[in-house]
Amino acid sequence: EAAVTQSPRNKVAVTGGKVTLSCNQTNNHNNMYWYRQDTGHGLRLIHYSYGAGSTEKGDIPDGYKASRPSQENFSLILELATPSQTSVYFCASGDHISNERLFFGHGTKLSVL
Amino acid sequence: TQTVSQSDAHVTVFEGDSVELRCNYSYGGSIYLSWYIQHHGRGLQFLLKYYSGNPVVQGVNGFEAEFSKSDSSFHLRKASVHWSDSAVYFCAVSANTGYQNFYFGKGTSLTVIP
Repeated sequence: EAAVTQSPRNKVAVTGGKVTLSCNQTNNHNNMYWYRQDTGHGLRLIHYSYGAGSTEKGDIPDGYKASRPSQENFSLILELATPSQTSVYFCASGDHISNERLFFGHGTKLSVL
Repeated sequence: TQTVSQSDAHVTVFEGDSVELRCNYSYGGSIYLSWYIQHHGRGLQFLLKYYSGNPVVQGVNGFEAEFSKSDSSFHLRKASVHWSDSAVYFCAVSANTGYQNFYFGKGTSLTVIP
């Protein structure tokens, strides 16, 4: 079974601080995604990547940066965290050929105080 | 503009009842339609998908979904639910080419009363 691992599982940050959420996949998938999940909004796409070295803006990229240093790793960076970024963040990977389905990590619960 | 609409935010049924969770979409071109399940505190897990062929597709744990082009729908059904089916269900649409994104509905929370 394909594996996507996120770290940390829980994070408490202070307003204005820098936060890095990490994601590692062992599926050898080209495509990786960062979503946030909020009540009433479902899943919203923040950034995505088509392979090492590439990052693209999703639907809600403001306040976030992404980094894809390798096929396996995809990070989401909050340079100046704000309370509005309190959410649950999910990383996912997908095969670029079939694009049939996504494999999700367990999520990171971020609280910005 | 791609949209995925799940009209019911919450559905409550009793164990053994049948259930249908609705999904309507708006998307141009050739697409995949899929359903995912999210148990509390967990990530989303793939249930089933449709691309072409038989409009009724079978998934895990007795779930099935039916595609309707005329209605732009892809509703999820189960004939007899179990309490462990309580979860949030997401409908998703994606293009059938590799470099396209997945768009999710807002989810339907299913509660099954034992």
